[in-house]
Amino acid sequence: DIQMTQSPSTLSASVGDSVTITCRASQSISNWLAWYQQKPGKAPKLLIYRTSSLQSGVPSRFSGSGGGTEFTLTINSLQPDDLATYYCQEYNTYSYTFGGGTKVQIK
Amino acid sequence: EVQLVESGGGPVNPGGSLRLSCAASGFTFRAYSMNWVRQAPGKGLEWVSSISTSSTYAYYANSVKGRFTISRDNAKNSLDLQMNSLRDEDTAVYYCARPTYEYDSTPDAFDLWGQGTMVTVSS
Repeated sequence: DIQMTQSPSTLSASVGDSVTITCRASQSISNWLAWYQQKPGKAPKLLIYRTSSLQSGVPSRFSGSGGGTEFTLTINSLQPDDLATYYCQEYNTYSYTFGGGTKVQIK
Repeated sequence: EVQLVESGGGPVNPGGSLRLSCAASGFTFRAYSMNWVRQAPGKGLEWVSSISTSSTYAYYANSVKGRFTISRDNAKNSLDLQMNSLRDEDTAVYYCARPTYEYDSTPDAFDLWGQGTMVTVSS
């Protein structure tokens, strides 16, 4: 199975900062990567699909890039509402492996 | 309203069985493959199972293969997960999730999630 390694596991940043989360796949997944945001007690919400496509309704401060085995999620101008845990997910195969998550805290 | 609503969770003894359901509304259910994803308390997300639009294909995580069975009833807009031989490590919130695209026979990101139903396996 494909392994997805996400880093960092936790990050703390100030409102207005730009933050980057990295996700590495154990083998090439082309561009079949999604990013989700999960707030405490809530279901995950799709932010980015196919590496860099912004889901409808998601603020443009969220962006994704990468390909093959290395991917990034960038949040520009961090907002208080962005307090959440973020997960990457590969969907190159029917193993749908998720990364371990990155908890974003606001300083 | 486009939504997924899970039900059927609750406490169960190790070795026991439970059947989860997911009711879909507001979209053409039969046009989408469907999925179950779970999240153990304080842990990350784990895909559990997927089923194709006409139930021809079903896929399972290694951790549940042989114990869980996914099924759907397109006439009733419902998705089920029959869970047998439950273990402590199956304790989790179980979500049903819909992929982004209709009639897509390949894996896809999940753009619609239910609120989840909690399964607690404990003696």
